[in-house]
Amino acid sequence: EAGVTQSPTHLIKTRGQQATLRCSPISGHTSVYWYQQALGLGLQFLLWYDEGEERNRGNFPPRFSGRQFPNYSSELNVNALELEDSALYLCASAEDNGSPLHFGNGTRLTVT
Amino acid sequence: RKEVEQDPGPFNVPEGATVAFNCTYSNSASQSFFWYRQDCRKEPKLLMSVYSSGNEDGRFTAQLNRASQYISLLIRDSKLSDSATYLCVVNSNSNYQLIWGAGTKLIIKP
Repeated sequence: EAGVTQSPTHLIKTRGQQATLRCSPISGHTSVYWYQQALGLGLQFLLWYDEGEERNRGNFPPRFSGRQFPNYSSELNVNALELEDSALYLCASAEDNGSPLHFGNGTRLTVT
Repeated sequence: RKEVEQDPGPFNVPEGATVAFNCTYSNSASQSFFWYRQDCRKEPKLLMSVYSSGNEDGRFTAQLNRASQYISLLIRDSKLSDSATYLCVVNSNSNYQLIWGAGTKLIIKP
């Protein structure tokens, strides 16, 4: 069974640009979570999608947005990139509420 | 008070020793509990779920104490490869939001 897949693995952007990160959940999982992890810091919750709808979002500005597609894959968009957006962006999927999360390998975003 | 709290460590432990981590949570209605390990610059990986009756997986034992609102992880006969950051996760239950602890760093020394 394929795990959670994220693309791209690495992404380099300049300040002010826009970044799009993609995630495919484990087959059968309908929930997708996005987290940001800056170097040396803990996981910061970004967004939670379930059945195509945004269920919750973390304490991030509106330039962080996303969506979930009918096939449950998801996209995270970051507009007007800032230097401090440089981090590892992790996507995770879960079978249902209360189930453990399974993470992808992450997208390492570098903003210069 | 944070919803989920862990001792950040680092715990420096000799190989072969037993090490225990605790994680306290504030929401008494929480229902789901998990331990993850995260290696440097890698994604977190599920180590084990924590069940009310406690559960064991090889050298790892997880326990839940609802009265005192904490979960624990015990690692016996520690290996060098156990060096990682251990994260506890609690389901907030009010909105099914998983709350992550900041992690405890473990360093196993030869």
